[in-house]
This record gives sequence, structure tokens and C-alpha cells, in this order.
Amino acid sequence: NAGVTQTPKFQVLKTGQSMTLQCAQDMNHEYMSWYRQDPGMGLRLIHYSVGAGITDQGEVPNGYNVSRSTTEDFPLRLLSAAPSQTSVYFCASSFSPGSSYEQYFGPGTRLTVT
Amino acid sequence: AQRVTQPEKLLSVFKGAPVELKCNYSYSGSPELFWYVQYSRQRLQLLLRHISRESIKGFTADLNKGETSFHLKKPFAQEEDSAMYYCALGGADGLTFGKGTHLIIQP
Repeated sequence: NAGVTQTPKFQVLKTGQSMTLQCAQDMNHEYMSWYRQDPGMGLRLIHYSVGAGITDQGEVPNGYNVSRSTTEDFPLRLLSAAPSQTSVYFCASSFSPGSSYEQYFGPGTRLTVT
Repeated sequence: AQRVTQPEKLLSVFKGAPVELKCNYSYSGSPELFWYVQYSRQRLQLLLRHISRESIKGFTADLNKGETSFHLKKPFAQEEDSAMYYCALGGADGLTFGKGTHLIIQP
């Protein structure tokens, strides 16, 4: 099992550009989520999905879109990049949100918006 | 609203000394609490969860509902324990993380 994979590892964007961060998992997990990690802020939930076709907003959803067409994939789209979106983005998956199930994290995507 | 507080941004201890990383939470229901660790240049990984009451890599954490705390402890620190540690609270949508504590073990 590859676990949770993310591409790209690094990305530099100019303000106003759009892009999609890819996330895939091969563990047949129903729950997938996106977090951003900022210095001194910990990790904050952007969007999550409890199954194919079902998505919902987390704590900091503005400026991001998601969709879940398959169980395996959960891409995160930046519609019009802003410097405030400079961050490290982590995708995670689990059998169930929260609860006692372990969440498995991807290696992260480091995004810089200039 | 649920909240997780880790009061120490940075904690530096000498090898062999005891370690305690503090975590307090705010939650109206019955909490599900976790400690995640991020070693340098690696992804976050689960260290332990309160429900399993296990000891991983010598670390333990006890849920104290009266004090709303879930402090992480290890009696004798090792250099390989140097990492970023996050306390997290499980909810219906996902995890609420604290801001993290950077643990540095000095030789």
C-alpha cells in the first residue's frame, strides 16, 4: 500500500493563478480531509469528505474548492491564489472522522504564493 | 466550540530527563483525544490515542476529565524524541489540533 500520496511536493504560484493539489489513498477509506499547516497555528481543517459525492467545509474553507468523485481521490483547488494561502497542505484519510480511528497523513505540499 | 491548547511552543530538555508536554481541551461531549508527532521532514503520524491507553516509544498520556487535560509524558527523554508534537481532539468533521510544541532533546 502506498497509503496517502500527494502531488506536487512543492509549488510556487503567482497571485491570481489557480491550481489543483492532488491527493489519493489506496486504503479504501471513506473519510478524507485537507489541512493547512502554518507556523504557530498548528493544523486547520479546510474541507473534508465522508464519502464519494459528499463534501463539507471545515474551519478555513474560503478560497478553496473540493470534489470527491471517487473513494480514492480528493483534490483541492485554489481558485485564485493569494499570498495568505502560502502554507503547507496536508491531506489525510481515515475509516471515520474524529472518533478513535487513526488518521493517515500524506507527505504534504509546500505552496508559496508570490 | 471545541478547542485544544498547547501552552508551550518550544520545550527543551536534556537527554535522560523527564518530559511533559501539556495539552488542555475544551469540549462539551465525551472527548476523543490524540497525540500526533511530526519528525523532521516526515509526515504527521499518530503517536497515541487516549482510548487505547497504550504506551508508544515510552510515551504515555492520561485523560483527566476534571482538569480537561491530556498531557504527554515520558520518564527519560531520548535524542530521537526531538520533533513537533500536536495534541488533537476528534470531532464529527475531523480533528481540531493544538498549535503544537516543538520538543528539543539536548545531548
